[in-house]
Amino acid sequence: DARVTQTPRHKVTEMGQEVTMRCQPILGHNTVFWYRQTMMQGLELLAYFRNRAPLDDSGMPKDRFSAEMPDATLATLKIQPSEPRDSAVYFCASGSLGTGHNEQFFGPGTRLTVL
Amino acid sequence: QKEVEQNSGPLSVPEGAIASLNCTYSDRGSQSFFWYRQYSGKSPELIMFIYSNGDKEDGRFTAQLNKASQYVSLLIRDSQPSDSATYLCAVKGSNYKLTFGKGTLLTVNP
Repeated sequence: DARVTQTPRHKVTEMGQEVTMRCQPILGHNTVFWYRQTMMQGLELLAYFRNRAPLDDSGMPKDRFSAEMPDATLATLKIQPSEPRDSAVYFCASGSLGTGHNEQFFGPGTRLTVL
Repeated sequence: QKEVEQNSGPLSVPEGAIASLNCTYSDRGSQSFFWYRQYSGKSPELIMFIYSNGDKEDGRFTAQLNKASQYVSLLIRDSQPSDSATYLCAVKGSNYKLTFGKGTLLTVNP
C-alpha cells in the first residue's frame, strides 16, 4: 500500500539545536512538497521539488531552514538553529506533476516542539 | 497574495443531515480545486478534486465549482459522526502549488 513516510514522528528539542526531518515519497512520484501547519497560520508551503530539483522555496526562512533531495527516495528538511517559533507539525507530501490534476498525498507528519 | 477563505466553524449538523462547506478563492487563474479531510492529530487526506464548473459526485460527497463567482463547495449527504473533522479547501494555480484555506471544523452530532 503506497504511502508517504516521515521520520521522526515526534521531536522535542531545545532552542539552538539542529533538527532534521526526513521524508520518503510514494514510489514513482516526481514531486515532493514540505508544509508546516500551525493553529494560527494553517497549512503553509515551505518548499517543493520536482525530479529532485528545487522549484520553489520562497515560503521557507532561508537563514535557518534548508531542504534537499539527495535521491528520489529521500527528502530532508533541516532547521539550524531551531527556535521556539518553529514548533509546528511538518508535513511532507508527494505527487506526480504533469499528470492528472496533480493531487498531493500527505505523510503522517513530524510534530516538532522547540523548548 | 493568493488567498483561499473558509469559514472556520465549527459547523455542527445532526446525523443524517446535509453538511455544506464553502470556500472562496482570489486567483482567477486557479485551475484545480481540492477538498482534504483532516482528523485531529492526523494528516490531510484527499477526498475529492474538481476542475470544471458544475457538480462532481462521489458517494456521499458532492463538490461544486463556480469559477465566475470564484467559489467551491463540498456537500456531505447523510452525515455521519465519522465525518467529524476539519475540511481543508485547496486551490492549485498555474505553478502547481496548492494554497490551502485554514479549514472548517465539522461536527456531526449523533
